[in-house]
Amino acid sequence: DAGITQSPRHKVTETGTPVTLRCHQTENHRYMYWYRQDPGHGLRLIHYSYGVKDTDKGEVSDGYSVSRSKTEDFLLTLESATSSQTSVYFCAISDTGRDTEAFFGQGTRLTVV
Amino acid sequence: GENVEQHPSTLSVQEGDSAVIKCTYSDSASNYFPWYKQELGKGPQLIIDIRSNVGEKKDQRIAVTLNKTAKHFSLHITETQPEDSAVYFCALWRGGGNKLTFGTGTQLKVEL
Repeated sequence: DAGITQSPRHKVTETGTPVTLRCHQTENHRYMYWYRQDPGHGLRLIHYSYGVKDTDKGEVSDGYSVSRSKTEDFLLTLESATSSQTSVYFCAISDTGRDTEAFFGQGTRLTVV
Repeated sequence: GENVEQHPSTLSVQEGDSAVIKCTYSDSASNYFPWYKQELGKGPQLIIDIRSNVGEKKDQRIAVTLNKTAKHFSLHITETQPEDSAVYFCALWRGGGNKLTFGTGTQLKVEL
């Protein structure tokens, strides 16, 4: 299995609170991604990173920010959590960023009450 | 954007039967077509992929076919077994690269 660790694995938080999810990789892959998974929508890209301090938006980026201060870590922050952000969040990594296998973490289940 | 449409959303088959899942896409620049399997409580994992210079690829009981002219690709699972029960996703790297886009998924249930 690719060396990807997501933390925490489960979290319950209250509406309006900030939340940070962490993705840590040991593969030295250049590209890192955050997806959310919701019934009927599959996996939707939130943000991705193509290098240290280099990030770009995905299709559902509103309400989320990311940071990548070193190759191995990619953080996803919900500045003020809302109930619509209740979801399962997956981190993925890719060596080349195109036309090759992406490796996924185990996911973080976030519930906003 | 480069959407990927996936059908059906749910599929129930008897053990030993075949299952087929189809995806259609719009970006003619796409050259790589992967399929991922997601088991309950886990992240998706690549099970097979195909590049645009071939029309079919097989790996034991699973195969993928590609029709670039019609812009669709399909996953075929033969002799289905209970352990094939999972959610299956097709995906595309968007034409310019960097963004991996997924279909909406197919919940496959293999019944005994």
